[in-house]
Amino acid sequence: QVQLVQSGAEVKKPGASVKVSCKASGYIFIDYYIYWVRQAPGQGLEWMGWINPHNGGTKYAQKFQGRVTLTRDTSISTVYMELSGLTSVDTAIYFCARDSRVVVPGTMYNWFDPWGPGTLVSVSS
Amino acid sequence: DIQMTQSPSSLSASVGDRVTITCRASQTINNYLNWYQQKPGKAPKILIYAASSLQSGVPSRFSGSGSGTDFSLTISRLQPEDVATYFCQQSYSTSWTFGQGTKVEIK
Repeated sequence: QVQLVQSGAEVKKPGASVKVSCKASGYIFIDYYIYWVRQAPGQGLEWMGWINPHNGGTKYAQKFQGRVTLTRDTSISTVYMELSGLTSVDTAIYFCARDSRVVVPGTMYNWFDPWGPGTLVSVSS
Repeated sequence: DIQMTQSPSSLSASVGDRVTITCRASQTINNYLNWYQQKPGKAPKILIYAASSLQSGVPSRFSGSGSGTDFSLTISRLQPEDVATYFCQQSYSTSWTFGQGTKVEIK
């Protein structure tokens, strides 16, 4: 079955960087985009960016431009999200999710499914 | 970016009640609208895609409707296991955006 497994919780100091991994299994890795979404404590969902595992192409939310980097290693079916310049407001659960889609005449619909379990990143001095 | 606005932010209803959550987009998104359910401590789960298509395995008491800028998610008969936060998401733009969420509780 399609599964995304994320790396474990991280505790970081302000100003540091964090790198979270997301290992995919159960499907052809390069055929589906991977998205990253974060959720601050008690808050909503915030899309951060996506990566095309086929060619490494990326798109980032404007809010995170210059601070987030998505990369992939096709040999181990893993995507990485690195966030730099951490502050307390970056304390959140970080989710990866795979693209799912249906093609109908003239268009395509996409959604996020499945999701990884999430990785808690805590930023504190 | 396309802004998504949900209402209400929270609601409390009795088991068996009909519950409706609305989502409004800041510009037309045709029917490029998804709905997710998130239970405490868990990742979100897709319920509805393309505004009204029920994801496989999702109970038929969930339904979605709408097009353009105004959408709704309806739970026809609320069950205890439906306690969760529900999010809409636009898929019209590849700069994906979510609504702020609606927390559903049992009265």
